[in-house]
Amino acid sequence: TQLLEQSPQFLSIQEGENLTVYCNSSSVFSSLQWYRQEPGEGPVLLVTVVTGGEVKKLKRLTFQFGDARKDSSLHITAAQPGDTGLYLCAGEGTSYDKVIFGPGTSLSVIP
Amino acid sequence: SQTIHQWPATLVQPVGSPLSLECTVEGTSNPNLYWYRQAAGRGLQLLFYSVGIGQISSEVPQNLSASRPQDRQFILSSKKLLLSDSGFYLCAWSLGLAGTYEQYFGPGTRLTVT
Repeated sequence: TQLLEQSPQFLSIQEGENLTVYCNSSSVFSSLQWYRQEPGEGPVLLVTVVTGGEVKKLKRLTFQFGDARKDSSLHITAAQPGDTGLYLCAGEGTSYDKVIFGPGTSLSVIP
Repeated sequence: SQTIHQWPATLVQPVGSPLSLECTVEGTSNPNLYWYRQAAGRGLQLLFYSVGIGQISSEVPQNLSASRPQDRQFILSSKKLLLSDSGFYLCAWSLGLAGTYEQYFGPGTRLTVT
């Protein structure tokens, strides 16, 4: 069974600080997705990384896929209160037709 | 563009009552459809998914069931709700074999069983 772990589970930082959250597995994934969810809403897809070592940037967010395609990281530069939310990673692995979600990192950015 | 609808947005039901949650997708054909449940502030538990009309895969045995009577309609049901069925229910679609399994979520239904 393929599993994804995310760390830290909770993160509270001041506006303007930088942070990195991690998504790890012992299994290889063909791709990894990152989502952000605000309270009371459905998750929204941020990015998909496909190639080992790939780096994608979305404004102040930088996503990296590990060389072995078993892990990924999300780095946020100069965090803003609008970045507050639950960050979920999800992997496409050996199970067809679906993805596997990690438990999420809950981020709170304090003004 | 594609849109996904869920209703109702919130629901309060007594223990033992039936449940029907509906999800519809517009702007795409033959999508994969998914039902997830989420506990407060935590990750998503996949309940059911469907790759076509009448095709349902169950991930977690429980007192819930799902049906797909039309290509872009997905229904989550229960004959008798339990307290443990409370949660945030999310419907999602993906392109499946036509693309990737990137998930596009609806707004969710908050279910409280009392």
